[in-house]
Amino acid sequence: DAGITQSPRHKVTETGTPVTLRCHQTENHRYMYWYRQDPGHGLRLIHYSYGVKDTDKGEVSDGYSVSRSKTEDFLLTLESATSSQTSVYFCAILNRDRGADTQYFGPGTRLTVL
Amino acid sequence: RKEVEQDPGPFNVPEGATVAFNCTYSNSASQSFFWYRQDCRKEPKLLMSVYSSGNEDGRFTAQLNRASQYISLLIRDSKLSDSATYLCVVLPTGNQFYFGTGTSLTVIP
Repeated sequence: DAGITQSPRHKVTETGTPVTLRCHQTENHRYMYWYRQDPGHGLRLIHYSYGVKDTDKGEVSDGYSVSRSKTEDFLLTLESATSSQTSVYFCAILNRDRGADTQYFGPGTRLTVL
Repeated sequence: RKEVEQDPGPFNVPEGATVAFNCTYSNSASQSFFWYRQDCRKEPKLLMSVYSSGNEDGRFTAQLNRASQYISLLIRDSKLSDSATYLCVVLPTGNQFYFGTGTSLTVIP
């Protein structure tokens, strides 16, 4: 257990509304990631963060923004949700242990945009 | 071309069978390799890292072939509890991981 929580776990919203998903970690990891997972595509990186206020875009960043004002929290915002953003969203942290980098995931948020 | 490619399956095998999954990656400079397991509607969980010399963890064996740019996962004596989707993951350089779409395994009684 890497001490990662996500909230909410499930959300149904309407097209055009803003949505914010939260990822919280308790172990002071520097790197945090947001992925979405869709059938046929696997996990795709949306944004990641390499420290407080330091973020970068991933493969599918259009329509998403992120913020990291504290080490423990990484927020993903959909400014104006669209039906194509219906997906399962996973947060992950990067664990560095004796030179080996591995990722651990939160439980996911299932988002439906109607 | 995708960074990581896997056969999606599904693989349906009887209990006790041996099953192998392969995965290919496109970036020859890739440094780290992993297999994750994902149960239905759950998060991916690290199954094992894959080392150049190959490594084994109980019934699971992972191999890396850098020359051909593929990694494999062998599961011996399959259990019902092994039913899941297995994700191949590659870390080329830096801090961005690339995931295969997963291979679905169902172990049948």
